[in-house]
Amino acid sequence: SAVISQKPSRDICQRGTSLTIQCQVDSQVTMMFWYRQQPGQSLTLIATANQGSEATYESGFVIDKFPISRPNLTFSTLTVSNMSPEDSSIYLCSVAISRLAGYNEQFFGPGTRLTVL
Amino acid sequence: EDQVTQSPEALRLQEGESSSLNCSYTVSGLRGLFWYRQDPGKGPEFLFTLYSAGEEKEKERLKATLTKKESFLHITAPKPEDSATYLCAVQGYGNKLVFGAGTILRVKS
Repeated sequence: SAVISQKPSRDICQRGTSLTIQCQVDSQVTMMFWYRQQPGQSLTLIATANQGSEATYESGFVIDKFPISRPNLTFSTLTVSNMSPEDSSIYLCSVAISRLAGYNEQFFGPGTRLTVL
Repeated sequence: EDQVTQSPEALRLQEGESSSLNCSYTVSGLRGLFWYRQDPGKGPEFLFTLYSAGEEKEKERLKATLTKKESFLHITAPKPEDSATYLCAVQGYGNKLVFGAGTILRVKS
């Protein structure tokens, strides 16, 4: 597995502002992911962030709203831009660890709980 | 499109009362089915990966099984500390996980 930390663990922000969430992993990983979990709902993939390439965004998520950086193999950031109350969610980063069978297992960070007023 | 349906939405058990959670899925080319446990306010905790029909994995009071259409998470003699939301996810071609809505489990002493 991998040990994943996120900063901040929670924040309360005003609408129209931006927040950058940091994700740090204790080992080098190729594949990192950012998810959103809205209140009472399951996880939705925002984007895949691989080092050395542009992030790949899922349908309904755009780079202008959720810019992502991946400067090295242990770190990534997700920015939530021009926030509105609808952005209030838990944001989670995860990493994929490759197994000998050729499959990947994903492990998650503790999450960042964002409240937008 | 890959889809995951979990049932029941919520389950209340008495301590020691065994039961099962269901995860039905449709996926083009199953590369893995994953079970996670999520406690309130925390990130999902990895439990199991199942790769092929007929596979079974166990961890303490939990046992996960897989068929070509569904997976079961069996909980034997649960304790209050097993209370959590249990999430099922599938991975098809590519690395994307598709999650079900989860089953909220409450175990009362």
